[in-house]
Amino acid sequence: KNEVEQSPQNLTAQEGEFITINCSYSVGISALHWLQQHPGGGIVSLFMLSSGKKKHGRLIATINIQEKHSSLHITASHPRDSAVYICAVWGDKIIFGKGTRLHILP
Amino acid sequence: SAVISQKPSRDICQRGTSLTIQCQVDSQVTMMFWYRQQPGQSLTLIATANQGSEATYESGFVIDKFPISRPNLTFSTLTVSNMSPEDSSIYLCSVEGDREGLGAFFGQGTRLTVV
Repeated sequence: KNEVEQSPQNLTAQEGEFITINCSYSVGISALHWLQQHPGGGIVSLFMLSSGKKKHGRLIATINIQEKHSSLHITASHPRDSAVYICAVWGDKIIFGKGTRLHILP
Repeated sequence: SAVISQKPSRDICQRGTSLTIQCQVDSQVTMMFWYRQQPGQSLTLIATANQGSEATYESGFVIDKFPISRPNLTFSTLTVSNMSPEDSSIYLCSVEGDREGLGAFFGQGTRLTVV
């Protein structure tokens, strides 16, 4: 079993829909990151969380340390949000999820 | 925040040759990290590069195959040596960010295809 599991693996939605991507992990962590990977391969760090909730524009990230679970939400999704979203946990080492490929249709 | 310039952004190379990837940071950083992302897979840490000392390699990666230089606090290179098609991947460099804000910054990635 992978130490970091993301769901769904792939997600296609219409522009404007509310998007949720989930991340579950099985190891002790000091922080969890949500990353966005563009088609060319470049990665942008969206959030770093150790507790609670963070919001940046249309993006919201939450984490429940007791349940070892985090969610990334996108409100009013837009085609430019199409990317791969990666959950990564910082513990003894950095462990990456396999990513969720999001495609927003206009 | 840190801005990382990574190049080349992509390359197509013949098997048996070597490619050096460069990573330039706009601020001084202690540690730089090199990752590989094989097709359809998650990111895997290759090595951690500290200035003034040899890089620390993760299990499955060796210096002869992936030599790393770290000549100063703003620059690092990763060489993929004696390439084979299995080395076709995206290679990324990364630095730690401000732990109170963003936790990491990444280069734009190098998409390598070995033919």
